[in-house]
Amino acid sequence: DGGITQSPKYLFRKEGQNVTLSCEQNLNHDAMYWYRQDPGQGLRLIYYSQIVNDFQKGDIAEGYSVSREKKESFPLTVTSAQKNPTAFYLCASRDRAGNTEAFFGQGTRLTVV
Amino acid sequence: KQEVTQIPAALSVPEGENLVLNCSFTDSAIYNLQWFRQDPGKGLTSLLLIQSSQREQTSGRLNASLDKSSGRSTLYIAASQPGDSATYLCAVLTRYNTDKLIFGTGTRLQVFP
Repeated sequence: DGGITQSPKYLFRKEGQNVTLSCEQNLNHDAMYWYRQDPGQGLRLIYYSQIVNDFQKGDIAEGYSVSREKKESFPLTVTSAQKNPTAFYLCASRDRAGNTEAFFGQGTRLTVV
Repeated sequence: KQEVTQIPAALSVPEGENLVLNCSFTDSAIYNLQWFRQDPGKGLTSLLLIQSSQREQTSGRLNASLDKSSGRSTLYIAASQPGDSATYLCAVLTRYNTDKLIFGTGTRLQVFP
C-alpha cells in the first residue's frame, strides 16, 4: 500500500535533548512537508522540501532542523533550542508534477517531560 | 500574505441535517483548494481537491464549491451522520508559491444521534 509513515506515534523528550521524528513515503512524491499542530490552532508549516538535497524554512523553523538525503525520507529534528516543543507533528507529501492533492501521515505526538 | 479562515470554529447538529462549512482566503491567486478531515489524535484525510479552474467537486455526500473572486469555498455535507463527527480543515496552494499549503484553523463538527 502506498502512503506516508510517521514514527514513532508517541515520543517523550527530556529538557535539553534533541529528538528526531521520522517520515517516510512510498508515493514517489517530490515535495514533502512538516507541520506542527497545537490545540485550537491550525497547522503551521515548519519546513518543506521540493527536491532531494534542498529544503526551505516555513513559518516557524526556529529550533528545528531537517534533511532530505533521499526522495522518500524527510526526518525532522527538534533541537533543545525549541522552547516549547510539546505538540502534534504532521508530515505530508505531494507530487509537484501537476495540480495534485497532498497526503498526510498519522502524526507524532511529542511531549517534553 | 495569504490568510485562510474557517467559520464556524465549532458546530453541533442532530443527525440527518444538511450542513455547510465555510472557508475564506484573502488572496484569490490560488492553484487549488483542498478539504481535509481530521479525527482526534490522527492525521489528515483528504476529502476533496478543487482546481482553480473548477467551480465544484463531489464525492458521495460531500460537495465542495469554489468562488475564487470572492475568496470563498464551502463544504456541503448532506444527511449528516454521527460518523461525520471530526474536524474539517481547508488548505490553499497559492500561485506565487506552488509548494506551500496554507491551512485554516478548522471547524470542529459534532453530529449527535
